[in-house]
Amino acid sequence: DAGVTQSPTHLIKTRGQQVTLRCSPISGHKSVSWYQQVLGQGPQFIFQYYEKEERGRGNFPDRFSARQFPNYSSELNVNALLLGDSALYLCASSLSVDRGFTDTQYFGPGTRLTVL
Amino acid sequence: AQSVTQLGSHVSVSEGALVLLRCNYSSSVPPYLFWYVQYPNQGLQLLLKYTSAATLVKGINGFEAEFKKSETSFHLTKPSAHMSDAAEYFCAVRTSGNTPLVFGKGTRLSVIA
Repeated sequence: DAGVTQSPTHLIKTRGQQVTLRCSPISGHKSVSWYQQVLGQGPQFIFQYYEKEERGRGNFPDRFSARQFPNYSSELNVNALLLGDSALYLCASSLSVDRGFTDTQYFGPGTRLTVL
Repeated sequence: AQSVTQLGSHVSVSEGALVLLRCNYSSSVPPYLFWYVQYPNQGLQLLLKYTSAATLVKGINGFEAEFKKSETSFHLTKPSAHMSDAAEYFCAVRTSGNTPLVFGKGTRLSVIA
């Protein structure tokens, strides 16, 4: 079975531009979460979506937005890019949000965003 | 709010030696604890998770971790390090199935031949 896939693998943008990152969850998984991993740090939670609805949001500015589609894939959008947005953006999928501790999150390989 | 502290940003061991990576958590409610591994230029792979069924948890690749409530710890161990274990290791906590994972800053493990 295919794991979580993300595209593109790498991306270079300039300050002020906008970027869209894409994620396809594991087949059968209905929840997608996005994390930002700055170099040398652990991942930080940005969003969680379940059944196309936002179920959680981390401490990120409104420049960050996301959505989930009927096929459970997801997009993360970042507007007005800043140098500090340079990071590895990780997508994680899970079966549901209501299965308690059994709901393991499976991570994709990430998209490396560089803002110049 | 829950948090995780990983002691030691970099740990270096000889091949065949014991691996010990430290994780302490803070949580106002019973936590669910995880260890993930990240190889260079890759995403995170789940090593093991604490589900409250047993305090000693066995994971993949010979790793295990012990939940100690009195010490608020969930240290990761492996009896004998292999070169292939060299990677970044992250401890994470969550308080329920619908809360996000909160990660520590990670520990980079180097294995010396």
